[in-house]
Amino acid sequence: EAGVTQFPSHSVIEKGQTVTLRCDPISGHDNLYWYRRVMGKEIKFLLHFVKESKQDESGMPNNRFLAERTGGTYSTLKVQPAELEDSGVYFCASSQEGLATFTDTQYFGPGTRLTVL
Amino acid sequence: AQSVTQLGSHVSVSEGALVLLRCNYSSSVPPYLFWYVQYPNQGLQLLLKYTSAATLVKGINGFEAEFKKSETSFHLTKPSAHMSDAAEYFCAVSDNKNFGNEKLTFGTGTRLTIIP
Repeated sequence: EAGVTQFPSHSVIEKGQTVTLRCDPISGHDNLYWYRRVMGKEIKFLLHFVKESKQDESGMPNNRFLAERTGGTYSTLKVQPAELEDSGVYFCASSQEGLATFTDTQYFGPGTRLTVL
Repeated sequence: AQSVTQLGSHVSVSEGALVLLRCNYSSSVPPYLFWYVQYPNQGLQLLLKYTSAATLVKGINGFEAEFKKSETSFHLTKPSAHMSDAAEYFCAVSDNKNFGNEKLTFGTGTRLTIIP
Protein backbone atom coordinates (compact mmCIF):
# COMPACT_ATOMS: atom_id res chain seq x y z
CA GLU A 1 0.00 0.00 0.00
CA ALA A 2 1.38 3.38 -0.97
CA GLY A 3 2.14 5.81 1.82
CA VAL A 4 1.48 9.53 1.99
CA THR A 5 3.14 11.26 -0.93
CA GLN A 6 4.04 14.91 -1.31
CA PHE A 7 5.08 16.96 -4.30
CA PRO A 8 7.44 18.62 -4.89
CA SER A 9 10.14 17.41 -2.53
CA HIS A 10 11.91 20.75 -2.77
CA SER A 11 10.85 24.18 -3.96
CA VAL A 12 12.92 27.34 -4.18
CA ILE A 13 11.04 30.53 -4.99
CA GLU A 14 11.52 34.25 -4.63
CA LYS A 15 9.65 36.42 -2.21
CA GLY A 16 6.33 37.47 -3.67
CA GLN A 17 5.91 34.41 -5.86
CA THR A 18 3.24 31.75 -5.50
CA VAL A 19 3.86 28.12 -4.63
CA THR A 20 1.45 25.20 -4.47
CA LEU A 21 2.26 22.09 -2.48
CA ARG A 22 0.40 18.85 -3.04
CA CYS A 23 -0.34 15.94 -0.72
CA ASP A 24 -1.81 12.58 -1.64
CA PRO A 25 -2.98 10.73 1.47
CA ILE A 26 -3.19 7.01 1.94
CA SER A 27 -6.17 5.68 0.03
CA GLY A 28 -9.28 5.55 2.19
CA HIS A 29 -8.01 7.96 4.81
CA ASP A 30 -10.63 10.59 5.58
CA ASN A 31 -8.39 12.70 7.82
CA LEU A 32 -5.67 14.84 6.27
CA TYR A 33 -3.39 17.18 8.18
CA TRP A 34 -0.83 19.80 7.24
CA TYR A 35 2.08 20.66 9.51
CA ARG A 36 5.10 22.91 9.11
CA ARG A 37 8.57 22.92 10.62
CA VAL A 38 10.50 26.13 10.49
CA MET A 39 14.26 25.64 10.80
CA GLY A 40 15.27 24.55 14.30
CA LYS A 41 11.80 24.80 15.74
CA GLU A 42 9.01 22.39 16.52
CA ILE A 43 6.66 20.89 13.98
CA LYS A 44 3.50 22.98 14.10
CA PHE A 45 -0.03 22.09 13.10
CA LEU A 46 -1.58 24.09 10.28
CA LEU A 47 -4.94 22.50 9.55
CA HIS A 48 -7.05 19.35 9.50
CA PHE A 49 -9.47 18.13 6.84
CA VAL A 50 -12.12 15.50 7.34
CA LYS A 51 -12.90 14.42 3.80
CA GLU A 52 -13.30 17.72 1.93
CA SER A 53 -14.26 19.82 4.97
CA LYS A 54 -11.91 21.87 7.11
CA GLN A 55 -12.26 20.51 10.63
CA ASP A 56 -9.68 22.76 12.25
CA GLU A 57 -7.68 25.52 10.61
CA SER A 58 -6.53 27.19 13.79
CA GLY A 59 -2.87 26.82 12.88
CA MET A 60 -2.96 28.63 9.54
CA PRO A 61 -0.61 31.59 9.98
CA ASN A 62 -2.45 34.14 7.83
CA ASN A 63 -4.60 34.58 4.76
CA ARG A 64 -1.67 34.10 2.40
CA PHE A 65 -2.14 30.38 2.98
CA LEU A 66 -4.99 28.57 1.26
CA ALA A 67 -5.64 24.86 1.64
CA GLU A 68 -8.07 22.81 -0.38
CA ARG A 69 -9.01 19.18 -0.57
CA THR A 70 -10.75 18.33 -3.79
CA GLY A 71 -13.39 15.61 -3.48
CA GLY A 72 -11.88 14.45 -0.23
CA THR A 73 -8.84 12.99 -1.95
CA TYR A 74 -5.62 14.91 -2.47
CA SER A 75 -4.96 18.29 -0.91
CA THR A 76 -3.12 21.40 -2.00
CA LEU A 77 -1.59 24.14 0.09
CA LYS A 78 -1.01 27.39 -1.74
CA VAL A 79 1.13 30.21 -0.44
CA GLN A 80 0.49 33.53 -2.19
CA PRO A 81 2.49 35.71 -2.04
CA ALA A 82 5.34 33.90 -0.33
CA GLU A 83 7.39 35.65 2.33
CA LEU A 84 10.83 34.81 3.72
CA GLU A 85 9.35 33.49 6.98
CA ASP A 86 7.37 30.88 5.06
CA SER A 87 10.53 28.85 4.49
CA GLY A 88 10.50 25.47 6.15
CA VAL A 89 9.45 21.88 5.69
CA TYR A 90 5.76 21.27 5.11
CA PHE A 91 4.50 17.86 6.18
CA CYS A 92 1.27 16.20 5.30
CA ALA A 93 -0.25 13.36 7.31
CA SER A 94 -3.34 11.21 7.00
CA SER A 95 -5.34 8.87 9.22
CA GLN A 96 -8.46 6.77 9.11
CA GLU A 97 -11.58 7.81 10.93
CA GLY A 98 -11.30 6.84 14.56
CA LEU A 99 -13.80 4.59 16.28
CA ALA A 100 -15.02 4.63 19.86
CA THR A 101 -12.35 2.30 21.13
CA PHE A 102 -9.70 2.72 18.52
CA THR A 103 -7.09 5.36 18.12
CA ASP A 104 -5.62 5.64 14.70
CA THR A 105 -2.20 6.78 13.71
CA GLN A 106 -1.25 9.78 11.66
CA TYR A 107 0.99 8.64 8.82
CA PHE A 108 3.35 11.30 7.58
CA GLY A 109 4.71 12.04 4.15
CA PRO A 110 8.37 12.92 3.50
CA GLY A 111 7.66 16.63 3.46
CA THR A 112 8.22 19.47 1.01
CA ARG A 113 11.18 21.71 1.75
CA LEU A 114 10.24 25.26 0.79
CA THR A 115 12.90 27.93 0.51
CA VAL A 116 11.84 31.53 -0.07
CA LEU A 117 14.66 33.83 -1.17
CA ALA B 1 -3.21 24.44 25.76
CA GLN B 2 -1.02 21.43 25.31
CA SER B 3 2.76 21.57 25.12
CA VAL B 4 5.71 19.22 24.90
CA THR B 5 9.24 19.74 26.15
CA GLN B 6 12.08 17.61 24.92
CA LEU B 7 15.21 18.04 26.99
CA GLY B 8 18.34 17.98 24.88
CA SER B 9 18.24 18.92 21.23
CA HIS B 10 21.25 16.67 20.65
CA VAL B 11 22.06 13.40 22.41
CA SER B 12 25.07 11.19 21.72
CA VAL B 13 25.44 7.64 22.97
CA SER B 14 27.91 4.89 22.27
CA GLU B 15 26.84 1.89 20.27
CA GLY B 16 25.48 -0.71 22.70
CA ALA B 17 24.72 1.85 25.40
CA LEU B 18 21.34 2.80 26.82
CA VAL B 19 19.33 5.35 24.88
CA LEU B 20 17.22 7.75 26.96
CA LEU B 21 15.35 10.58 25.29
CA ARG B 22 13.32 12.79 27.59
CA CYS B 23 9.83 14.14 27.02
CA ASN B 24 7.60 16.06 29.38
CA TYR B 25 4.12 17.18 28.46
CA SER B 26 1.46 19.55 29.63
CA SER B 27 -2.19 18.80 28.97
CA SER B 28 -5.46 19.80 30.58
CA VAL B 29 -7.09 16.52 29.59
CA PRO B 30 -5.86 12.92 29.66
CA PRO B 31 -3.47 12.90 26.73
CA TYR B 32 -2.50 10.60 23.96
CA LEU B 33 1.29 10.56 23.63
CA PHE B 34 3.46 9.61 20.68
CA TRP B 35 7.06 9.20 19.69
CA TYR B 36 7.94 9.64 16.02
CA VAL B 37 11.31 9.17 14.35
CA GLN B 38 12.62 10.84 11.23
CA TYR B 39 15.47 9.22 9.37
CA PRO B 40 17.39 11.35 6.87
CA ASN B 41 15.36 12.26 3.79
CA GLN B 42 12.31 10.39 5.04
CA GLY B 43 8.98 11.28 6.62
CA LEU B 44 8.07 10.85 10.25
CA GLN B 45 7.51 7.25 11.30
CA LEU B 46 5.55 6.27 14.39
CA LEU B 47 7.68 4.48 16.97
CA LEU B 48 5.01 4.00 19.61
CA LYS B 49 1.92 5.56 21.17
CA TYR B 50 0.20 5.73 24.53
CA THR B 51 -3.58 5.83 24.49
CA SER B 52 -4.54 5.28 28.14
CA ALA B 53 -4.06 1.53 28.19
CA ALA B 54 -0.82 0.06 29.60
CA THR B 55 1.57 2.71 30.93
CA LEU B 56 4.61 0.89 29.52
CA VAL B 57 4.40 0.97 25.78
CA LYS B 58 6.57 -1.10 23.47
CA GLY B 59 7.28 0.12 19.99
CA ILE B 60 9.23 -0.83 16.93
CA ASN B 61 12.98 -1.38 16.72
CA GLY B 62 13.30 -2.23 20.43
CA PHE B 63 12.13 1.13 21.75
CA GLU B 64 9.76 1.56 24.65
CA ALA B 65 8.33 4.44 26.68
CA GLU B 66 6.66 4.73 30.05
CA PHE B 67 3.81 7.09 30.79
CA LYS B 68 4.20 8.61 34.26
CA LYS B 69 1.27 10.82 35.10
CA SER B 70 2.76 12.07 38.37
CA GLU B 71 5.83 13.30 36.52
CA THR B 72 3.98 14.29 33.32
CA SER B 73 6.67 12.40 31.44
CA PHE B 74 6.88 9.99 28.54
CA HIS B 75 10.58 9.23 28.15
CA LEU B 76 11.80 7.00 25.33
CA THR B 77 14.34 4.27 26.02
CA LYS B 78 16.21 1.50 24.25
CA PRO B 79 18.54 -0.82 26.17
CA SER B 80 21.24 -1.06 23.53
CA ALA B 81 21.84 1.55 20.83
CA HIS B 82 22.51 0.52 17.27
CA MET B 83 24.10 2.59 14.55
CA SER B 84 20.82 2.50 12.63
CA ASP B 85 19.11 4.39 15.49
CA ALA B 86 20.79 7.62 14.44
CA ALA B 87 17.89 9.92 13.55
CA GLU B 88 15.78 12.76 14.90
CA TYR B 89 13.11 11.85 17.44
CA PHE B 90 9.95 13.78 18.16
CA CYS B 91 7.61 13.52 21.11
CA ALA B 92 4.01 14.60 20.49
CA VAL B 93 0.77 14.94 22.40
CA SER B 94 -2.87 15.13 21.41
CA ASP B 95 -6.03 15.22 23.42
CA ASN B 96 -8.41 12.30 23.20
CA LYS B 97 -11.61 14.14 22.43
CA ASN B 98 -11.97 12.67 18.97
CA PHE B 99 -10.49 9.19 19.32
CA GLY B 100 -7.07 10.33 18.23
CA ASN B 101 -8.13 12.28 15.20
CA GLU B 102 -6.88 15.53 16.61
CA LYS B 103 -3.91 17.71 15.84
CA LEU B 104 -0.57 16.71 17.28
CA THR B 105 1.51 19.13 19.32
CA PHE B 106 5.19 18.34 18.90
CA GLY B 107 8.33 18.98 20.86
CA THR B 108 11.34 20.55 19.19
CA GLY B 109 12.96 17.19 18.49
CA THR B 110 16.10 15.41 19.69
CA ARG B 111 18.81 14.45 17.25
CA LEU B 112 20.39 11.15 18.32
CA THR B 113 23.96 10.39 17.31
CA ILE B 114 25.45 6.95 17.83
CA ILE B 115 29.18 6.79 18.47
CA PRO B 116 30.88 3.66 17.10
